[in-house]
Amino acid sequence: GAVVSQHPSWVICKSGTSVKIECRSLDFQATTMFWYRQFPKQSLMLMATSNEGSKATYEQGVEKDKFLINHASLTLSTLTVTSAHPEDSSFYICSARDQVSGSYNEQFFGPGTRLTVL
Amino acid sequence: KQEVTQIPAALSVPEGENLVLNCSFTDSAIYNLQWFRQDPGKGLTSLLLIQSSQREQTSGRLNASLDKSSGRSTLYIAASQPGDSATYLCARGGNTPLVFGKGTRLSVIA
Repeated sequence: GAVVSQHPSWVICKSGTSVKIECRSLDFQATTMFWYRQFPKQSLMLMATSNEGSKATYEQGVEKDKFLINHASLTLSTLTVTSAHPEDSSFYICSARDQVSGSYNEQFFGPGTRLTVL
Repeated sequence: KQEVTQIPAALSVPEGENLVLNCSFTDSAIYNLQWFRQDPGKGLTSLLLIQSSQREQTSGRLNASLDKSSGRSTLYIAASQPGDSATYLCARGGNTPLVFGKGTRLSVIA
C-alpha cells in the first residue's frame, strides 16, 4: 500500500517555542492531506484539511494562527505549532488521500509525531 | 451531526476465539467505511476499506461487512492471536473528511 512518513517521530520542546512537523507521501501524489490530533485514550480528532496550493481548511475550535499548515507540493504538508504550550502536548497524525478521478478513496496514515511541551 | 459509535469499548478474549467488533454510524450517505488498527503510541494501519457499493471485504483472518441501510459495520476476526491485541478504529468516509469512532481496545490472552 501507499506509504506516508512523518518527521520527527517525537519532539520535546520548551514552552513558547515553535515546532514543525512534516508529512510526506512517499509513493503517490496527494492533493489533499489531513492533520489529526489524538489525546491519550481518545480517538483521532481532525484539525484541518490541507489542500495543495491553497489555504488549509480548519475545523471549528482549531486556531489557524497557532497551527500553521503549508502544503506546497503534492507530496509534502507541514504543520507548525507556534508558541507551543503544555496543553499542546499530544500525538499528531497526518494522512494523505490517494484521490482518483474525483472518487474518495482510501486514506493512508503516517506513523504520528509525539509532541511534549515542557 | 455525523457520529460513529464503536461497541464494545474494550474486549478481552482467550487466544483462538473468534470475535466481532461493531461500528455504527448515523449518516447512511457514506462513500466508504474503513477499519484501522492502532498499536499503543503508534500511527494507524489500514486493515480494510469497504466502498459504499460493497457489502464486505476480506483479508486473511479479517472480514468486514457493511450494511448502509442499518448504519452498521462489523469486523470479524477469526482465530484470534495475542498479536491481534491493539485498538481497532472504524471511520466513515463521505463528502467530508473521515469521522472516527473512539475505538475498541482488544486484548487477546495467550
